[in-house]
Amino acid sequence: TQLLEQSPQFLSIQEGENLTVYCNSSSVFSSLQWYRQEPGEGPVLLVTVVTGGEVKKLKRLTFQFGDARKDSSLHITAAQPGDTGLYLCAGAFRQGGSEKLVFGKGTKLTVNP
Amino acid sequence: EPEVTQTPSHQVTQMGQEVILRCVPISNHLYFYWYRQILGQKVEFLVSFYNNEISEKSEIFDDQFSVERPDGSNFTLKIRSTKLEDSAMYFCASRAGAGTEAFFGQGTRLTVV
Repeated sequence: TQLLEQSPQFLSIQEGENLTVYCNSSSVFSSLQWYRQEPGEGPVLLVTVVTGGEVKKLKRLTFQFGDARKDSSLHITAAQPGDTGLYLCAGAFRQGGSEKLVFGKGTKLTVNP
Repeated sequence: EPEVTQTPSHQVTQMGQEVILRCVPISNHLYFYWYRQILGQKVEFLVSFYNNEISEKSEIFDDQFSVERPDGSNFTLKIRSTKLEDSAMYFCASRAGAGTEAFFGQGTRLTVV
């Protein structure tokens, strides 16, 4: 069974602060995706990382994939209230001919003005 | 922009009744998934479907559950005899191929009373 540990589970910060969310596993991912989910809605894809060591930037969000493809981080610079939401990491695992996404529990981020 | 659509958005059903949740994946996508999210908990994998058959299913996906792709566009999840603990958000997802991003629908909120 593949498990994804995501931390922290809750994060409350002031506008302008920086933060990092972590996603770790003992399994190797074929790729890793970060999603953002609003209450009552489906996860919305932010980014996919595929190559070990890969870094992707999306405005103030920086995503990093570990060299061994077992961990990933999401760093937000100068957080804004609009960043408030649930951030989910999801690792793609290949077994035989199938591939599935396994989700972490999520990080609920609150950015206070 | 292509998107995964799910209907209905909300379904209330009596315990023991059958429900069918419908999904229209993104056109030309080949891999299809159902996930479940109980209120306040993590997104859980139910089943993956490829080449007109189930490629993987989780422990949650017992004999009460079934999936179909009846007409080449719709992808359905049937729960034969609903239980109270089946109450959750059910998300459909699709991807173009192995290693590509998964895109999620807005979900169906199932309430079993």
